[in-house]
Amino acid sequence: EDQVTQSPEALRLQEGESSSLNCSYTVSGLRGLFWYRQDPGKGPEFLFTLYSAGEEKEKERLKATLTKKESFLHITAPKPEDSATYLCAVSNSGGYQKVTFGTGTKLQVIP
Amino acid sequence: DGGITQSPKYLFRKEGQNVTLSCEQNLNHDAMYWYRQDPGQGLRLIYYSQIVNDFQKGDIAEGYSVSREKKESFPLTVTSAQKNPTAFYLCASSGAGTDIQYFGAGTRLSVL
Repeated sequence: EDQVTQSPEALRLQEGESSSLNCSYTVSGLRGLFWYRQDPGKGPEFLFTLYSAGEEKEKERLKATLTKKESFLHITAPKPEDSATYLCAVSNSGGYQKVTFGTGTKLQVIP
Repeated sequence: DGGITQSPKYLFRKEGQNVTLSCEQNLNHDAMYWYRQDPGQGLRLIYYSQIVNDFQKGDIAEGYSVSREKKESFPLTVTSAQKNPTAFYLCASSGAGTDIQYFGAGTRLSVL
């Protein structure tokens, strides 16, 4: 069974204080790893897809990286508007597009 | 604008009542999904459909039912058999050849 574990559960940063969120996964043949941002009371918003170890994607202050066992979401000089829950998910190479989600990291950026 | 529309935003269910959550997409996606989100838990798959007139049970299908009569629509019914329906329900869709799922804004269901 595919598993996704995210850490920490919650993270509080001062504005401008860079940090990283971790996503560890076990999957029977990784097809893709996904990062989403979810604001309170809203649906997840797609950020990145990573397909193979060594791949990196960037968007504004966010950078996602992938190894064979984990992914990191690096946040550089965060701003209060980056406060949200960040979800990690994986899909396997099985017969259909099953995606397994982690429980998320709740990020709070304090001015 | 292309996207996924869920309605209503808030829904209240009485004891013994069935309620239906609406999900409509105009992204021309073939696959659609329903998830349940509870505090401290990851998204759990209720049902999914890869094509019109076909759908499959997910990990927690008991007490729920769906239909897929049109490509654009994938309504979810929470039946009276679902004893703990209070949760945030999310609908998603994905296009051909990709696992990227795009989500609606969600429906929060509570029990009166």
